[in-house]
Amino acid sequence: DARVTQTPRHKVTEMGQEVTMRCQPILGHNTVFWYRQTMMQGLELLAYFRNRAPLDDSGMPKDRFSAEMPDATLATLKIQPSEPRDSAVYFCASGWGYYSPLHFGNGTRLTVT
Amino acid sequence: GESVGLHLPTLSVQEGDNSIINCAYSNSASDYFIWYKQESGKGPQFIIDIRSNMDKRQGQRVTVLLNKTVKHLSLQIAATQPGDSAVYFCADPKGNQGGKLIFGQGTELSVKP
Repeated sequence: DARVTQTPRHKVTEMGQEVTMRCQPILGHNTVFWYRQTMMQGLELLAYFRNRAPLDDSGMPKDRFSAEMPDATLATLKIQPSEPRDSAVYFCASGWGYYSPLHFGNGTRLTVT
Repeated sequence: GESVGLHLPTLSVQEGDNSIINCAYSNSASDYFIWYKQESGKGPQFIIDIRSNMDKRQGQRVTVLLNKTVKHLSLQIAATQPGDSAVYFCADPKGNQGGKLIFGQGTELSVKP
């Protein structure tokens, strides 16, 4: 089964450090989404791409978060500088488009101390 | 719905019984819905989807019912098993964000042996 791959699975870092999370979407999928999940907020949409172009990143704190797709096989989410409130599980998901389900990776659990 | 909060609705069922998980939506223009299952430590996993030109769709042990009149859908799990214990989300690409997949609060299903 094809799957979305996220690395690292776990990341512990100190406040102020840069964090980069990576995602390899399923080959051939043309949409990529980044979500953040916390107990307080549930699943929050951060950003999404279609055909590698960013369509919406209104869910991201612009001053510290950035999302990119350097190529069709890699999506990155970067936090600089990280803060304790960024502690969460970050999920990447990919899909074909509107009338198809997204497929999720198993997430990166980020802890900022 | 797209509400979030500290406490998930919960459903507790006896192993072997049928489970029904409900979801309401608000956008009359919503025409595609997806159910996901999320187990602890994993990303949401696609279960079944339905388009608005259908009232019912069946999968393996699962059935989704869509009532467009009252903007309600439900997920029915037949002969619930311990492995079905998870949080279940309905998702709607239209929601109130136009094209971005927004998740509801989720329902935590517990299966008693």
